[in-house]
Amino acid sequence: ETGVTQTPRHLVMGMTNKKSLKCEQHLGHNAMYWYKQSAKKPLELMFVYSLEERVENNSVPSRFSPECPNSSHLFLHLHTLQPEDSALYLCASSQEGRTSGNTIYFGEGSWLTVV
Amino acid sequence: AQSVTQPDIHITVSEGASLELRCNYSYGATPYLFWYVQSPGQGLQLLLKYFSGDTLVQGIKGFEAEFKRSQSSFNLRKPSVHWSDAAEYFCAVAFTGGGNKLTFGTGTQLKVEL
Repeated sequence: ETGVTQTPRHLVMGMTNKKSLKCEQHLGHNAMYWYKQSAKKPLELMFVYSLEERVENNSVPSRFSPECPNSSHLFLHLHTLQPEDSALYLCASSQEGRTSGNTIYFGEGSWLTVV
Repeated sequence: AQSVTQPDIHITVSEGASLELRCNYSYGATPYLFWYVQSPGQGLQLLLKYFSGDTLVQGIKGFEAEFKRSQSSFNLRKPSVHWSDAAEYFCAVAFTGGGNKLTFGTGTQLKVEL
């Protein structure tokens, strides 16, 4: 059981489609994240939202567009993706405080296949 | 630049045998250290973490890890492995001043032989 839920768990989309990944956290946290996990590569941090403001964008292509309408929800809007974007996309959340190193909790991920 | 190294890509152990997964980091100060486990098709589950204090930390599922500052290591151990421990294990660090951003190692795939 996880306090971070992601939908859909699996998504297949064409390169011209528009789709969205959804994440909801039930932990009362104030920070949310998107990570990308590709085969044989370390997890890559894509976006960070703290108190609903985007505080980090790690040179992610504009075909990925995050949205954080409130502290419990995070979306990743997908548009004109490429086959190399096929990966597991992990959402995570944490409680940011005055000190660093608070624990980050992950959802189960959304498997994306771009055809 | 900060980095995390998991030198073993694959490890195979027999059920009931002991396990040690290695993790080394490169950073000038003490980082915050984590171990996560990922079962096939699943997200990452936190096993344990070290922020400060006792350098031997206990986690869930019978795992423990020891922070050794002199070796810049945070190795994960389990005295007796169960078949259900087969999964991929990730070491991660968060660095002071870096907020909650984690840097991950490339993972170690654990196979358990019955």
